[in-house]
Amino acid sequence: RKEVEQDPGPFNVPEGATVAFNCTYSNSASQSFFWYRQDCRKEPKLLMSVYSSGNEDGRFTAQLNRASQYISLLIRDSKLSDSATYLCVVNGGGSYIPTFGRGTSLIVHP
Amino acid sequence: NAGVTQTPKFQVLKTGQSMTLQCAQDMNHEYMSWYRQDPGMGLRLIHYSVGAGITDQGEVPNGYNVSRSTTEDFPLRLLSAAPSQTSVYFCASSSGQYSYEQYFGPGTRLTVT
Repeated sequence: RKEVEQDPGPFNVPEGATVAFNCTYSNSASQSFFWYRQDCRKEPKLLMSVYSSGNEDGRFTAQLNRASQYISLLIRDSKLSDSATYLCVVNGGGSYIPTFGRGTSLIVHP
Repeated sequence: NAGVTQTPKFQVLKTGQSMTLQCAQDMNHEYMSWYRQDPGMGLRLIHYSVGAGITDQGEVPNGYNVSRSTTEDFPLRLLSAAPSQTSVYFCASSSGQYSYEQYFGPGTRLTVT
């Protein structure tokens, strides 16, 4: 079983739609959780950290479910510019070494 | 404030050649890492460093060397390039002590023929 798993997609949605991605992790000692965004042929960029209480940044909401060991990312009112790959990243038990999921591809069409 | 910079952006090598990929950061981050990204494989950690003078191996270290003589610089050396090392290489840094958020450089696209 992979340490961090994501549905690769692609998720193909129209502009204005709401879309949600999940990411499951296997290390119950994991303490830090992040969502990164990666555009085609570009470097990953931090989108959001994920806190235990959940957090929201504009159209984006991230949540953590420790009991079921997954994090989620909700994007409301999708824009064409949201088209990208979304990477889930988990840091476990005080270790610096992060574990990356393989990413979920999102395509927003007119 | 340039963040994380990488050179070169593109490189073509012949099998057996060696080269160094440069990475520098100006954020005074203690933690630096090198990743490779291949289609369908996601990001894989090659080597990392938790401070000047300290390096360690990641998931796929074979064929690569690193050193960390200063906080700012973390070069990656390919000892004898092989076609299997054709990939996109990303350098990243993190403050580490208070946050594991990583900042990535723009990447080096390497082709080994």
